[in-house]
Amino acid sequence: SQKIEQNSEALNIQEGKTATLTCNYTNYSPAYLQWYRQDPGRGPVFLLLIRENEKEKRKERLKVTFDTTLKQSLFHITASQPADSATYLCALVVTSGTYKYIFGTGTRLKVLA
Amino acid sequence: NAGVTQTPKFRILKIGQSMTLQCTQDMNHNYMYWYRQDPGMGLKLIYYSVGAGITDKGEVPNGYNVSRSTTEDFPLRLELAAPSQTSVYFCASSRAGTGKETQYFGPGTRLLVL
Repeated sequence: SQKIEQNSEALNIQEGKTATLTCNYTNYSPAYLQWYRQDPGRGPVFLLLIRENEKEKRKERLKVTFDTTLKQSLFHITASQPADSATYLCALVVTSGTYKYIFGTGTRLKVLA
Repeated sequence: NAGVTQTPKFRILKIGQSMTLQCTQDMNHNYMYWYRQDPGMGLKLIYYSVGAGITDKGEVPNGYNVSRSTTEDFPLRLELAAPSQTSVYFCASSRAGTGKETQYFGPGTRLLVL
């Protein structure tokens, strides 16, 4: 069966440390993998995209890796700040005729001051 | 640009009532989507549209209907509300074929069916 999984438990880290979130999937062949941030009571906001032929992408303090062999993406936030506290969702973008997004359940990150 | 707007923000329905959730985008996006998000769960796709006049079912379409008469608007209709439809509903849009396919989300509609 097709699945996409993120750590369902909340991740608490100290300010200044690097947060690493994991997204694993099975039985999908995504063209892209995206990461979104969602704050309580709000819609998700796009952060980063990585293509199937890319290994790593960076944007400021954010880094995403994508291993299509392991079927896994890692999302890193370096020098984390309390303002980074939110739920982070990964999404597979599958392009088989149309563009469909399959979202993980999200990982709640709390950065402690 | 206002982006993606949704109305209402919150609504309480009685079992069996009907309502329409409104969604409008002003970015000239061809794709539009409706998702529902239950507590602690990911986003589940209800319906999507690839352009005006074209809609298709997602993962959880039962109990819902959609239409897309214009590029901008994509309303979601609940015909006979049931408690299982209590959720937060998000509308999203994207421009397919750009190589980025970023989804832009609205602020959500919180629906409670009693």
